[in-house]
Amino acid sequence: AIRLTQSPSSLSASTGDRVTITCRASQGISNSLAWYQQKPGRAPQLLIYGASTLQSGVPSRFSGSGSGTDFTLTITCLQSEDFATYYCQHYYSYPRTFGQGTKVEIK
Amino acid sequence: EVQLVESGGGLVQPGGSLRLSCAASGFTFSTYWMSWVRQAPGKGLEWVANINQGGSETYYVDSVKGRFTISRDNAKNSLSLQMNSLRAEDTAIYYCARDLIGRSVYWGQGSLVTVSS
Repeated sequence: AIRLTQSPSSLSASTGDRVTITCRASQGISNSLAWYQQKPGRAPQLLIYGASTLQSGVPSRFSGSGSGTDFTLTITCLQSEDFATYYCQHYYSYPRTFGQGTKVEIK
Repeated sequence: EVQLVESGGGLVQPGGSLRLSCAASGFTFSTYWMSWVRQAPGKGLEWVANINQGGSETYYVDSVKGRFTISRDNAKNSLSLQMNSLRAEDTAIYYCARDLIGRSVYWGQGSLVTVSS
């Protein structure tokens, strides 16, 4: 199975900050990567697919980049509603796997 | 409006069985791949299984192969997950999701399965 490693596992940031989360795949997955946001007690929400395509309705302060094995999720100008846990997931092959998650907390 | 509503969760003893259902509405169910994803208490997300539009293709994570069976009834707009030989490590919230080219765009609210004696 392809392993996805996110870093950092958690971070503290302030409203207005720029935040970058990385996701590294154990082998190349082209651009078959999605990013999800999850808030406590809620189902995950798709933010980005195809490594860099913004899902409809998601604010433009979210962006994704990368291809192959290295990917990033960037949140520019962090808002209060962005404090959550973020997961990457690949859909290049089976089994699909998720990264371990990155918790974005208020500084 | 797309709606996915899971049901069937609960407390079951190790070695027991449980069947989860997911009722879909607001879209043409028979034209989408569907998935189950789970989340153990306080832990991250784990993809469990998915199924193609007609039910002829299914895929599973290794840890549930031979124990879980994903199926669908397109006439009833329903997705199921039959879980047998349950273990403590299967304790989790189980989400059903509607997929589009690999990614899960719509998710249900989840159903809690607790495996404990």
